[in-house]
Amino acid sequence: KNQVEQSPQSLIILEGKNCTLQCNYTVSPFSNLRWYKQDTGRGPVSLTIMTFSENTKSNGRYTATLDADTKQSSLHITASQLSDSASYICVVSVHNAGNMLTFGGGTRLMVKP
Amino acid sequence: DSGVTQTPKHLITATGQRVTLRCSPRSGDLSVYWYQQSLDQGLQFLIQYYNGEERAKGNILERFSAQQFPDLHSELNLSSLELGDSALYFCASSAPLGGLGTEAFFGQGTRLTVV
Repeated sequence: KNQVEQSPQSLIILEGKNCTLQCNYTVSPFSNLRWYKQDTGRGPVSLTIMTFSENTKSNGRYTATLDADTKQSSLHITASQLSDSASYICVVSVHNAGNMLTFGGGTRLMVKP
Repeated sequence: DSGVTQTPKHLITATGQRVTLRCSPRSGDLSVYWYQQSLDQGLQFLIQYYNGEERAKGNILERFSAQQFPDLHSELNLSSLELGDSALYFCASSAPLGGLGTEAFFGQGTRLTVV
């Protein structure tokens, strides 16, 4: 069964600190992995996309890594800001069935001043 | 603005009633996905349509149904509503089938409250 698991479920950090969110998946065949940011009550917005051959990709203060062998990904947030408070969702695309998306449960991040 | 439009934004209805949620995908996107997000829960995949045909089905209740029309907009019908159906319902659309760069763009959601 295709599954995506994220940890931790929630995280509280102080403004300016770094943090790392984890994503483990069992989706097969793998097409790509995206990290989405979802502000409360709003639709998710894509932060990064990782394909099978990519190990690291950055988008500003966000850096995603992918280990396709262990089927793990991480999202590292540097110098956190209050606006980073949101849910971060790992989404893996299956390479068939119209690139069906499998969502992780998300990590709820709260950045405190 | 993702380009995906959902209406209505808010909906309050009584138990046992039926409602229809509407989604207009981004121009050119053929795939439409529906997701349910209950309070403090993750996104649960309901159903996917591609160019008018059902492509994949998730944990969608029999009381729920969806369709995608020739103009590619989609509707999600929820019937015999229960209190537990209260949630945010998101629609997403994505680029044509296949490709490593497929990204789902999400609408702002419809917040359904069943009282």
